[in-house]
Amino acid sequence: DGGITQSPKYLFRKEGQNVTLSCEQNLNHDAMYWYRQDPGQGLRLIYYSQIVNDFQKGDIAEGYSVSREKKESFPLTVTSAQKNPTAFYLCATLGVRDVSYGYTFGSGTRLTVV
Amino acid sequence: AQSVTQPDIHITVSEGASLELRCNYSYGATPYLFWYVQSPGQGLQLLLKYFSGDTLVQGIKGFEAEFKRSQSSFNLRKPSVHWSDAAEYFCAVASPEGGGNKLTFGTGTQLKVEL
Repeated sequence: DGGITQSPKYLFRKEGQNVTLSCEQNLNHDAMYWYRQDPGQGLRLIYYSQIVNDFQKGDIAEGYSVSREKKESFPLTVTSAQKNPTAFYLCATLGVRDVSYGYTFGSGTRLTVV
Repeated sequence: AQSVTQPDIHITVSEGASLELRCNYSYGATPYLFWYVQSPGQGLQLLLKYFSGDTLVQGIKGFEAEFKRSQSSFNLRKPSVHWSDAAEYFCAVASPEGGGNKLTFGTGTQLKVEL
């Protein structure tokens, strides 16, 4: 089945640690996105990538980093500079090659600082 | 910059009653508009989308939405709500003419269904 795999589903981070969230897709989509979700704030864009080896900051990129070395993968690193990382993180892809322009979302990773 | 407003944070309806969730957007060009639904701890499921053409669009689970350019609105409706519709609903707008096709979300409306 084509889709997006986010792992792990739950992640716990100690203060001062960096952690990496995985996002893998087999949809052959060029564009990939990372969103952060907090209660009452909707989803906010962290980073996005339109092609391999290229990515841009979204609205709340501070304290995060990404890479796009392969079309299938777009990992997100939450660094120690992110002061409030506890949130639900969603990865998405965009398919635009046919009339069914649309975004596909993964099932998310819940990150908790302990 | 594009933006989306969902003025209702929480809505409670009785099962079998009709539902309307409001969405207003701000975008300079013709918008691509979406409604998503999210169950607790899950990803987002697409209910419906509007790109162009007929301003009344039908989606899954009996939902529909109407695009009104004059009011910059894209309200979601359902004639008869089922208890399983209880979830959080998000309206979103995309910018296909540039800017990386970024999808901008509203803050969501939490729907509670009373039996």
